[in-house]
Amino acid sequence: DADVTQTPRNRITKTGKRIMLECSQTKGHDRMYWYRQDPGLGLQLIYYSFDVKDINKGEISDGYSVSRQAQAKFSLSLESAIPNQTALYFCATSDRYGYTFGSGTRLTVV
Amino acid sequence: SQQGEEDPQALSIQEGENATMNCSYKTSINNLQWYRQNSGRGLVHLILIRSNEREKHSGRLRVTLDTSKKSSSLLITASRAADTASYFCATDGAGANSKLTFGKGITLSVRP
Repeated sequence: DADVTQTPRNRITKTGKRIMLECSQTKGHDRMYWYRQDPGLGLQLIYYSFDVKDINKGEISDGYSVSRQAQAKFSLSLESAIPNQTALYFCATSDRYGYTFGSGTRLTVV
Repeated sequence: SQQGEEDPQALSIQEGENATMNCSYKTSINNLQWYRQNSGRGLVHLILIRSNEREKHSGRLRVTLDTSKKSSSLLITASRAADTASYFCATDGAGANSKLTFGKGITLSVRP
């Protein structure tokens, strides 16, 4: 099993729909992150959490919300999806030794 | 805003040649990391260099870090077609609450 698992792997949704992307980890890391990748822009930080009770906005949090249900689970929600949220989404965890990324969720909003 | 800026944006070389990619950043860092991404999918961690290190090797990879110039380079020696990918530098800022900040990436094409 992967250390950081993202579901779904691919998703197509309609404009205005609410959608949740889920992330679970078996690394035992306290710190978790959600990134978004658009072509030619690298990865941009959406939200991050340093422990279960800590949630922080990143560079591009507008239109997104998160929930840290447990140390191992960090979900990202798009309350009302719009086409420019079409992107590749990555979840990551970290400790003092480094970061581990999930395989990504490719989201298309039509 | 993105901390790191890679240079060049795209690089095309012949198999067997060396590939050098550069990264510059703006603020103090705890460490700098290089990642590879194949075909717009998952990120593979290649190498991490800490702010008190100047050079690090891992197989065919050599990374240097110059904190006075706020720059790093990644050298891939004896490149292979399988090295074709996008490469990103990412900086982990100084401080307990730092986050990993990525550059826009370099597209490397290795011609067989």
